[in-house]
Amino acid sequence: DGGITQSPKYLFRKEGQNVTLSCEQNLNHDAMYWYRQDPGQGLRLIYYSQIVNDFQKGDIAEGYSVSREKKESFPLTVTSAQKNPTAFYLCASTLRGQGIDSPLHFGNGTRLTVT
Amino acid sequence: DQQVKQNSPSLSVQEGRISILNCDYTNSMFDYFLWYKKYPAEGPTFLISISSIKDKNEDGRFTVFLNKSAKHLSLHIVPSQPGDSAVYFCAATSYGQNFVFGPGTRLSVLP
Repeated sequence: DGGITQSPKYLFRKEGQNVTLSCEQNLNHDAMYWYRQDPGQGLRLIYYSQIVNDFQKGDIAEGYSVSREKKESFPLTVTSAQKNPTAFYLCASTLRGQGIDSPLHFGNGTRLTVT
Repeated sequence: DQQVKQNSPSLSVQEGRISILNCDYTNSMFDYFLWYKKYPAEGPTFLISISSIKDKNEDGRFTVFLNKSAKHLSLHIVPSQPGDSAVYFCAATSYGQNFVFGPGTRLSVLP
C-alpha cells in the first residue's frame, strides 16, 4: 500500500539537542511538506520541497532545517535554536504541476516533546 | 494575516441532521480548495476538494460549495453520524504551490 511513513510516533529530547524527524513516501509524489500543529491551533507550514535538491521556507522556518536528497525522503531537523519545539509534526506530499489538482496526503505525525 | 478563516471554532449537530461547516478566504489567486478531517494524534484525512472552475462537488454524504464572488466555501455533511465527530480543516492553494490551512472547526455529532 502506498503512503507516507513518519517515524517515530513519539520522540523525547532534552533542551539543547538537535533532533531529526523522518518522513518517507512511496506515492511517487514530487512535492513534500512539513507542518506543525500546536494544541487548539491549525497547521502551520515549516518547509516544503517541490523537487529533489530544492526546498523553500514556509511561515515558521526559523530553528528548523530540511534536506531533499531523494524524491522519497524529506527529513526535518529541529535544532536547538527553535524556541518552542514541543509540538505535533506532520509530513505531507502531493503531485504537483500545472493543471493537476491533487490533494495533500498526510502521514500520521510525530509528537515531539522537549524538556 | 490569515488567508483562510474558519470563524466557528466548534459546532454541535444532532445525529441524522445536516452539518454545515464554513470557510472564508482572502487570496483571490487560490484555485483549489480542500476539506480535511482530523482525529487527535493522527494525520488529517482528505475528504473532498473543489476546483475554482466549479461551484459544487459531491461525494456521498459530503458536498462542498464554492462561492468565488464571496470568497466563501462550505462543507455539507448529510446525514451526520457520530463517527463524523472530529476537527475539520479547510485548505486552499494556488497553482499547486503551498497549501494554506484554516484553524479548524470541531464538529460534535450528538446521538
